[in-house]
Amino acid sequence: EAGVAQSPRYKIIEKRQSVAFWCNPISGHATLYWYQQILGQGPKLLIQFQNNGVVDDSQLPKDRFSAERLKGVDSTLKIQPAKLEDSAVYLCASSFGNLYEQYFGPGTRLTVT
Amino acid sequence: KQEVTQIPAALSVPEGENLVLNCSFTDSAIYNLQWFRQDPGKGLTSLLLIQSSQREQTSGRLNASLDKSSGRSTLYIAASQPGDSATYLCAANTGGFKTIFGAGTRLFVKA
Repeated sequence: EAGVAQSPRYKIIEKRQSVAFWCNPISGHATLYWYQQILGQGPKLLIQFQNNGVVDDSQLPKDRFSAERLKGVDSTLKIQPAKLEDSAVYLCASSFGNLYEQYFGPGTRLTVT
Repeated sequence: KQEVTQIPAALSVPEGENLVLNCSFTDSAIYNLQWFRQDPGKGLTSLLLIQSSQREQTSGRLNASLDKSSGRSTLYIAASQPGDSATYLCAANTGGFKTIFGAGTRLFVKA
């Protein structure tokens, strides 16, 4: 069974530029999560989808971050414009449902200069 | 507001030692608690998931326990090996389906 796929793996941009990350969850998983992990900290939930609807986005900086999950499968997370403090690893995870085991992708390491 | 704390932040042990990693949470109203392993530069690998109705879960040399009343979970690793060196994270699935992570415990097992 294929795991959670993410791309790109690494991205370096200048501040005020825009960037997008892509995630393909495990087949059949209805719930998809985007996390931000800053060096030395645990992941912080940014947004959670159930199929193509948003369950929670309370910690998403909506003035610059946006996410969508069209057709309830793949998802994209966008940052526009990026700030220095957005430098982090962005992790995508999926699960069969809200209360099931979460499986993570390899992450995208973003560096904002 | 749920807060998850992991102590110690770092741990170094000799190979073969049994060890316990701790995870504390402030709100006992959790649905489940999951333990993960993270290797440097990699994503998270799920180790064990304990539902709120369960007391413990076992997988190989790993045993995780959950005590909701005291707000604690422990991950027991038997006969540690150098390959167990990694960061171990716990995550509480709390009210509103929100997952809250601890900052992790960095484990180093010396050969």
